[in-house]
Amino acid sequence: DAMVIQNPRYQVTQFGKPVTLSCSQTLNHNVMYWYQQKSSQAPKLLFHYYDKDFNNEADTPDNFQSRRPNTSFCFLDIRSPGLGDAAMYLCATTRDRGYEQYFGPGTRLTVT
Amino acid sequence: SQQGEEDPQALSIQEGENATMNCSYKTSINNLQWYRQNSGRGLVHLILIRSNEREKHSGRLRVTLDTSKKSSSLLITASRAADTASYFCATDGNQGGKLIFGQGTELSVKP
Repeated sequence: DAMVIQNPRYQVTQFGKPVTLSCSQTLNHNVMYWYQQKSSQAPKLLFHYYDKDFNNEADTPDNFQSRRPNTSFCFLDIRSPGLGDAAMYLCATTRDRGYEQYFGPGTRLTVT
Repeated sequence: SQQGEEDPQALSIQEGENATMNCSYKTSINNLQWYRQNSGRGLVHLILIRSNEREKHSGRLRVTLDTSKKSSSLLITASRAADTASYFCATDGNQGGKLIFGQGTELSVKP
């Protein structure tokens, strides 16, 4: 089935040790999003790609970066994770602006 | 900044009862969407309602939109234990397709 896949599902990293989360999609959607969701909170948009056009939210920490090497894959890099970066990271896609988003199962990041 | 505010924050009902969740927002929108999230999982899209629509149905779900009051409601009829989840509204304004999520309503349906 066409879907949004995130790897790994659970990631444990040490304070300050870089980590990369990955997302792939078989929907051939143009738009991909990365959200951060902390416990009992709403998802918060970090950045999104409209095709190759990268859009960073104003309040996304500099510590967070993203790459989209092709339509199918998108990566979230956290250069120096702090304890406050522990969260669920959600990837989502949509065929175009103004349509519903399809979410992956998320990666739960723990920082020790 | 948070666009959508949801009410109630938590709702506990018995199986078979109806569940109503409300969402209010502040600025103009292109559409409003409802998502469900089971504990520890990703979000699942339920319904999208456009700004020129007033009501939409999907199975046991009914969504209304009142743009004059900047509010929406999600009604789940004949609820089941499997409906237990968090429900989020999300608004799509003129921000390049970005969704702004509300804080969510945590629904518990007891068998």
